[in-house]
Amino acid sequence: EPEVTQTPSHQVTQMGQEVILRCVPISNHLYFYWYRQILGQKVEFLVSFYNNEISEKSEIFDDQFSVERPDGSNFTLKIRSTKLEDSAMYFCASSRLAESYEQYFGPGTRLTVT
Amino acid sequence: RKEVEQDPGPFNVPEGATVAFNCTYSNSASQSFFWYRQDCRKEPKLLMSVYSSGNEDGRFTAQLNRASQYISLLIRDSKLSDSATYLCVVNRGGAGGFKTIFGAGTRLFVKA
Repeated sequence: EPEVTQTPSHQVTQMGQEVILRCVPISNHLYFYWYRQILGQKVEFLVSFYNNEISEKSEIFDDQFSVERPDGSNFTLKIRSTKLEDSAMYFCASSRLAESYEQYFGPGTRLTVT
Repeated sequence: RKEVEQDPGPFNVPEGATVAFNCTYSNSASQSFFWYRQDCRKEPKLLMSVYSSGNEDGRFTAQLNRASQYISLLIRDSKLSDSATYLCVVNRGGAGGFKTIFGAGTRLFVKA
């Protein structure tokens, strides 16, 4: 069964450093998403991406965040200058058709900012 | 008021019990609805989509009431493996753009 994959599973970084989280969506899916979940809190939408551009983004997705699909298979989330409060689990998801369809999630990257 | 509200629980039930979870949403522009389950420190996994006509998948039944802006999930004959957090998820469009909104989840513990 096709799956969304994410690397790394755990990333530790120092405050102020840049991190890139990587995702490989399911191959015939067209819509891609990033979410975050701070420990003990709910899953929060960050951004959706379709046709090589951002479709929607939340208030959380400020100028320090960016997304890219560099090579037709990977989908990346970059955090330019990490803060302590960026520590969270980051989930990538994809859906086959329009945004209203079911989304399938990757296993997540746990980001720890020290 | 939260856009998607769920009773956080926890629900503690014995094996074999029937348990029901409810979820309400506040934005009438909401378009599609889902239940996910999430195990501790794992990703959300799609359980089922929710339709106005109701849908059933084995021991699980989901129902949507658009007039009341209410979604439900019924689990029959609970198994130990059903222990998890159940997330109500709403996709909405409208002037604010398309977004996926997660509820905070309802925790279920099924005990032997």
